[in-house]
Amino acid sequence: SQTIHQWPATLVQPVGSPLSLECTVEGTSNPNLYWYRQAAGRGLQLLFYSVGIGQISSEVPQNLSASRPQDRQFILSSKKLLLSDSGFYLCAWVMGWGYTFGSGTRLTVV
Amino acid sequence: SQQGEEDPQALSIQEGENATMNCSYKTSINNLQWYRQNSGRGLVHLILIRSNEREKHSGRLRVTLDTSKKSSSLLITASRAADTASYFCATDAYGGSNYKLTFGKGTLLTVNP
Repeated sequence: SQTIHQWPATLVQPVGSPLSLECTVEGTSNPNLYWYRQAAGRGLQLLFYSVGIGQISSEVPQNLSASRPQDRQFILSSKKLLLSDSGFYLCAWVMGWGYTFGSGTRLTVV
Repeated sequence: SQQGEEDPQALSIQEGENATMNCSYKTSINNLQWYRQNSGRGLVHLILIRSNEREKHSGRLRVTLDTSKKSSSLLITASRAADTASYFCATDAYGGSNYKLTFGKGTLLTVNP
């Protein structure tokens, strides 16, 4: 069966520290993968999407970067976190036309 | 930028009542989808309606789409306390393999027992 894993569930990081969030999918090959951020009480903002290994499209300029080192692995990174990077980060992949989301990572930058 | 805009932002009803949420969007679409998010969790896909469809049903859910008005509505009938969640509409922006969804800000539905 197809599943998506995202970790960690929660993260508290100091300003200026690096970040690495990982997302992996199982049971499918060559999926389109997405990173979204959800600020408190807000909708989802698309950060990055990838249609294949090494192929990353950035939707908004920011302090974050993404990489896809393997077909079913999508990583969100930052070299130096800002307070404004706090939020709920969601990984997703497309199955048919609808997205399947991971359980999310709550990032608090202090 | 956000394509879909839901209203109301928040809705509180009693168990057994129907809940209606609306979504408006700005550009042409291939399909419109509704998602549900329980507090602190990922989103769950509920239903998809294509641009050539006007109405779709799934269990207690009924979705309508009016492409001339660029709007959609989600109706939840006979609501239950477990329906308490945020509901988001999402529209596609299809360009070759670059399929991606744009989400609205959501409607927070509270169903009181």
